Amino acid sequence: AQSVAQPEDQVNVAEGNPLTVKCTYSVSGNPYLFWYVQYPNRGLQFLLKYITGDNLVKGSYGFEAEFNKSQTSFHLKKPSALVSDSALYFCAVRDMPDDYKLSFGAGTTVTVRA
Amino acid sequence: EPEVTQTPSHQVTQMGQEVILRCVPISNHLYFYWYRQILGQKVEFLVSFYNNEISEKSEIFDDQFSVERPDGSNFTLKIRSTKLEDSAMYFCAVLGGAGGGGTDTQYFGPGTRLTVL
Repeated sequence: AQSVAQPEDQVNVAEGNPLTVKCTYSVSGNPYLFWYVQYPNRGLQFLLKYITGDNLVKGSYGFEAEFNKSQTSFHLKKPSALVSDSALYFCAVRDMPDDYKLSFGAGTTVTVRA
Repeated sequence: EPEVTQTPSHQVTQMGQEVILRCVPISNHLYFYWYRQILGQKVEFLVSFYNNEISEKSEIFDDQFSVERPDGSNFTLKIRSTKLEDSAMYFCAVLGGAGGGGTDTQYFGPGTRLTVL
């Protein structure tokens, strides 16, 4: 069975500082990893994904994530956070190429203070 | 622009009543999904739908739930007799779209908040 863990319920950073949101995964096969962001009263917006290839994946709004197979991690990063990055972030995984259902982590609330 | 829209945005119903949640994709999609998010909890998979059939469902998706594409466009989730614990945000998702993620990325609608009293 596939699963995702986001060990931090909340992350607080100052604007302009680096932002990291942690995610670890467990799958039986090769992982397909995703990050989504949810703003208040909005749906889930796709940020980036890792399927194969380069371990550093770049996505929307300046976000990137690094796939680390040995540590089974897929941490989301942004070099310089903005107040507008304050939102709820979800890591998700699927482990079969032909089974598209996603398993989500519990989410991490990011607050960027001015 | 989102790949899907959902109606209604908020539905309030009495326990035991039937509700139908609708998902309208903006372009042709083959794979559809429903997820739910109980307040304060993680997003959970309910069901996937492909070629007018359920392809997979979770243990949450019991006999009270059903899905269909009645007119080949809208994708609906029906809860026959709602319970208090069905109160949640329900998200529809489609596979693939113009959001930069490619054909194996799910794109989510804005959700329907269901409140069962």
